Amino acid sequence: GAVVSQHPSRVICKSGTSVKIECRSLDFQATTMFWYRQFPKQSLMLMATSNEGSKATYEQGVEKDKFLINHASLTLSTLTVTSAHPEDSSFYICSASRAVPYSYNEQFFGPGTRLTVL
Amino acid sequence: AQSVAQPEDQVNVAEGNPLTVKCTYSVSGNPYLFWYVQYPNRGLQFLLKYITGDNLVKGSYGFEAEFNKSQTSFHLKKPSALVSDSALYFCAVRDSIKAAGNKLTFGGGTRVLVKP
Repeated sequence: GAVVSQHPSRVICKSGTSVKIECRSLDFQATTMFWYRQFPKQSLMLMATSNEGSKATYEQGVEKDKFLINHASLTLSTLTVTSAHPEDSSFYICSASRAVPYSYNEQFFGPGTRLTVL
Repeated sequence: AQSVAQPEDQVNVAEGNPLTVKCTYSVSGNPYLFWYVQYPNRGLQFLLKYITGDNLVKGSYGFEAEFNKSQTSFHLKKPSALVSDSALYFCAVRDSIKAAGNKLTFGGGTRVLVKP
């Protein structure tokens, strides 16, 4: 149980285009999903926290108009990178927390999406 | 604020030797501590966690970690390393206090290289 998927696993796009990445919890309902960004040989940096049915909360320094997050259902959150530029090339990882009252609300991680902007 | 430190960027160990990856943390309340492993171009794989209870936690693939409250540490250990253990390891912490929300803070990562 507690499987999280991401689609696509890899995407290459031209500069100026928009890219949508999906994060799905396959066998549980997730009230909260998180989006992380990881540069080569670096740690994961939290970009934003999204709760189902409400606006995402962005970390300091993350442009909310550039990284649009939608959490429309308890099993799906999407991250759209708008007007992508080469500096947006990165590994994007999502995680999801269960909707049941676990005291520590463990996060389950997706496999990641490699975005390359040409 | 919560924080995690992994003091070693890389750990080299010979196959069959013990492996230790260090992690120290800082939180306001009680810590929830996690170890993850990442292989190239892959997401995070969960190894083990400490929430409460026994200080020695056993996890996947023969890994274990010891929670030491006085030293605010949660070092990852494996008695006999395998070449396949070569990967990037992340320690993460979440503060138990409500104000911290559900956010995880990750350490910088430690690359483990196990040589045959």
